[in-house]
Amino acid sequence: GENVEQHPSTLSVQEGDSAVIKCTYSDSASNYFPWYKQELGKRPQLIIDIRSNVGEKKDQRIAVTLNKTAKHFSLHITETQPEDSAVYFCAASSGNFNKFYFGSGTKLNVKP
Amino acid sequence: DTAVSQTPKYLVTQMGNDKSIKCEQNLGHDTMYWYKQDSKKFLKIMFSYNNKELIINETVPNRFSPKSPDKAHLNLHINSLELGDSAVYFCASSQDRGQGTEAFFGQGTRLTVV
Repeated sequence: GENVEQHPSTLSVQEGDSAVIKCTYSDSASNYFPWYKQELGKRPQLIIDIRSNVGEKKDQRIAVTLNKTAKHFSLHITETQPEDSAVYFCAASSGNFNKFYFGSGTKLNVKP
Repeated sequence: DTAVSQTPKYLVTQMGNDKSIKCEQNLGHDTMYWYKQDSKKFLKIMFSYNNKELIINETVPNRFSPKSPDKAHLNLHINSLELGDSAVYFCASSQDRGQGTEAFFGQGTRLTVV
């Protein structure tokens, strides 16, 4: 089965700085890579996703890059704000009934 | 207008009891899931149903039994609760399009076994 590893487990940045979270996956059949944000006590919510036929995707301050050869993908948040503080999860799916394998999560703390 | 709703939000019960968590989605999705999030925040898939049929069962103890009366509902029944079952359980749904699509999560049920 798929194995998704995520680093770092915690990340503390100053407001306005950039934050980068990295994930690796093992199954070359995986072709869909969503990122979820979970605020304290809330449900995980999709913030951005990327498919295997695309190398990079950007949505305002958030971008995701994918390297299929190396089997890794990363989340980049620029100009971080205190409301970006949350736990971020990467996931990988082969599209087969949308079976997601989640990374272990990164707790991002943005200091004002 | 909640897309994926689950009840109850909190559940405190004693060891050995049997309890159920209900989940409903009004998005018209074909696929529904149960995830378990432990104290370390790991999100682990337990079950997945597609059009009322079980398609994923991730080595979950048979004390856990999902039931899908129709494709909009996926309930989770747990027998003989143990301390280690304490966690937050999330229901989710997605549309099966033969390729990955966004999963929408319910608000979670915090289960505490004492």
